[in-house]
Amino acid sequence: SQKIEQNSEALNIQEGKTATLTCNYTNYSPAYLQWYRQDPGRGPVFLLLIRENEKEKRKERLKVTFDTTLKQSLFHITASQPADSATYLCALQRGYQKVTFGTGTKLQVIP
Amino acid sequence: EAQVTQNPRYLITVTGKKLTVTCSQNMNHEYMSWYRQDPGLGLRQIYYSMNVEVTDKGDVPEGYKVSRKEKRNFPLILESPSPNQTSLYFCASSIRQGATNEKLFFGSGTQLSVL
Repeated sequence: SQKIEQNSEALNIQEGKTATLTCNYTNYSPAYLQWYRQDPGRGPVFLLLIRENEKEKRKERLKVTFDTTLKQSLFHITASQPADSATYLCALQRGYQKVTFGTGTKLQVIP
Repeated sequence: EAQVTQNPRYLITVTGKKLTVTCSQNMNHEYMSWYRQDPGLGLRQIYYSMNVEVTDKGDVPEGYKVSRKEKRNFPLILESPSPNQTSLYFCASSIRQGATNEKLFFGSGTQLSVL
């Protein structure tokens, strides 16, 4: 069965450093992969989308890579700030079918 | 303002009492979906809809019903709620573009407690 794993439930990092979150998947060939941010008690908010034929995508301080050979995506936040503290979810989809989410990584940026 | 609106925000009910959680989007999106979120299990899809009158089961459809009579609305119905349906529920929508659904827009969530 399909399985999506995000590297850890929680990640603590010092302000100003680069946070790197990992999303690994098995038994799946997604057409594209998305990253969302979720704050406590709120709905997820879309951040970035990367397609299977793309290696890297950037948006301001965010960078996503997608390695279909390793079946892995890395999500980087450079110059991290306390306001970046949240849970980050990766999601995979192929075609029009259901979107499958990982369980998320809770990032805490320490001042 | 483009948004997905869910109601109610909080709901406490008793076992067996039918309830409906409403979801409405004002973005003319074709795709809508319901998720439940539980600690350690993440977001799991309950049902989704590709368009009006087109619905399909997600990963955890048991105990739930949906309907899509209008493009903007996608209510979630629990005919006979049970305590294991206590969860945080999210409705989401997405425009249909080419071969992908692009990004999902989520509602603010409905915290349901079934006693």
